[in-house]
Amino acid sequence: GENVEQHPSTLSVQEGDSAVIKCTYSDSASNYFPWYKQELGKGPQLIIDIRSNVGEKKDQRIAVTLNKTAKHFSLHITETQPEDSAVYFCAASEANAGNMLTFGGGTRLMVKP
Amino acid sequence: DARVTQTPRHKVTEMGQEVTMRCQPILGHNTVFWYRQTMMQGLELLAYFRNRAPLDDSGMPKDRFSAEMPDATLATLKIQPSEPRDSAVYFCASGPPGDTQYFGPGTRLTVL
Repeated sequence: GENVEQHPSTLSVQEGDSAVIKCTYSDSASNYFPWYKQELGKGPQLIIDIRSNVGEKKDQRIAVTLNKTAKHFSLHITETQPEDSAVYFCAASEANAGNMLTFGGGTRLMVKP
Repeated sequence: DARVTQTPRHKVTEMGQEVTMRCQPILGHNTVFWYRQTMMQGLELLAYFRNRAPLDDSGMPKDRFSAEMPDATLATLKIQPSEPRDSAVYFCASGPPGDTQYFGPGTRLTVL
C-alpha cells in the first residue's frame, strides 16, 4: 500500500519568511495530492490540491509542486503570517482507490511575529 | 457553504459506557470516512463507506467499535464498552465521487 512521509515535523519561521513542507510517497500509481491545514480545536481543512498531470499550482500565498519522477511534492507558503500557524498534513490517493487518502504525519508550523 | 456536521462536539463518559457519535455528510457526497486522531498516532482511518456500504473497517477494533450508515444523511460510530484508551478526537469526512475529502469539526471524547 501507499506510504507517505512528511518533513519536517515542526517548523518555526519569522513572520514574512517563506515556509516549505515536503512529502514523499511510495506508490507510483498515486495521482492526487491534497494538503490540509488543521488549526487548534478544528478539523483538517483542505487548502490546496494537485493532480499528477500538473507540476505546480498556486493560490495566492500558497503553492504546491509535484515531482512524479522523484515521487515527492511540496507545500510552499510565502509571506507567512501568524494566522498560518497550524498543523499541515499532506496526503496521497491512487486513482482506483476512490476517495481513500494516505496521510503524512503532519508538520506543526509556528510563525513568530 | 456546505459542511460536514458532527455531534456531539464534546463527550465525557465513564469507562464501560456506550458512546455514539453522529455525522451528517455533505449532501451529494457518496463516501464517508471515520478517523481517530491522537497525539501519538496522528490520523488513523477507522472506517470507510461508499454509497452507504462499508468498504473498509480494518482499522477499527471490532470487539467494541461499530460504524453504520442508516441513510445517506447519517453516519454513526459507536463504542461499547468504552475504555480510557479510546479518548481521542474522532473526525468524520465526506467526499464527492472523486478524490477529495472534507472533514467535520470532530468529536472530542474523554473516557474516565
